[in-house]
Amino acid sequence: KNQVEQSPQSLIILEGKNCTLQCNYTVSPFSNLRWYKQDTGRGPVSLTIMTFSENTKSNGRYTATLDADTKQSSLHITASQLSDSASYICVVRANRDDKIIFGKGTRLHILP
Amino acid sequence: DGGITQSPKYLFRKEGQNVTLSCEQNLNHDAMYWYRQDPGQGLRLIYYSQIVNDFQKGDIAEGYSVSREKKESFPLTVTSAQKNPTAFYLCASSIAAAGSGANVLTFGAGSRLTVL
Repeated sequence: KNQVEQSPQSLIILEGKNCTLQCNYTVSPFSNLRWYKQDTGRGPVSLTIMTFSENTKSNGRYTATLDADTKQSSLHITASQLSDSASYICVVRANRDDKIIFGKGTRLHILP
Repeated sequence: DGGITQSPKYLFRKEGQNVTLSCEQNLNHDAMYWYRQDPGQGLRLIYYSQIVNDFQKGDIAEGYSVSREKKESFPLTVTSAQKNPTAFYLCASSIAAAGSGANVLTFGAGSRLTVL
């Protein structure tokens, strides 16, 4: 069964600190993996996309990694800011039927 | 500015009433989607449309209906048959549908439906 599991469910850190969010998936065959940021009461916005051949991709203070062998991805946020408070959703696309599977998200709270 | 517009932002409905959520996009995207988001759960696909006048059921289509008469518009009707309609509804679009694996979903700001 195609699944996407994210951890932790929620995370609280102080402003300026770094953090890493995890995503494990069982989707096969794998097409690509995206990380989305969703502010409260808003729609998700794409941060990065990772394909099978990519290991690391950065978007400003956000760095995503992918290990296609172990089917794990991480999103690292550097020097967190209050505006980083949001839910971060890992989304995996299957290659066979183009199905999109969403993780439940990690809720990140940045404290001043 | 290009994007997806959902309306209304907030909607209250009495039990037994149908309600229609609007979704309009000016991105010239072929594919459009409706998702439902509940607390602590991942987004679940209700319906999707790859082309005008055609749409397919997603994972949780029961109690919902859609139409795609124009490329820009994909309204969702929540019918009285939907047993638990209170949720946050998200509309999305992408450049093309199946087979274009790298396409990103562009989401609207969402519509929050509350059944009283």
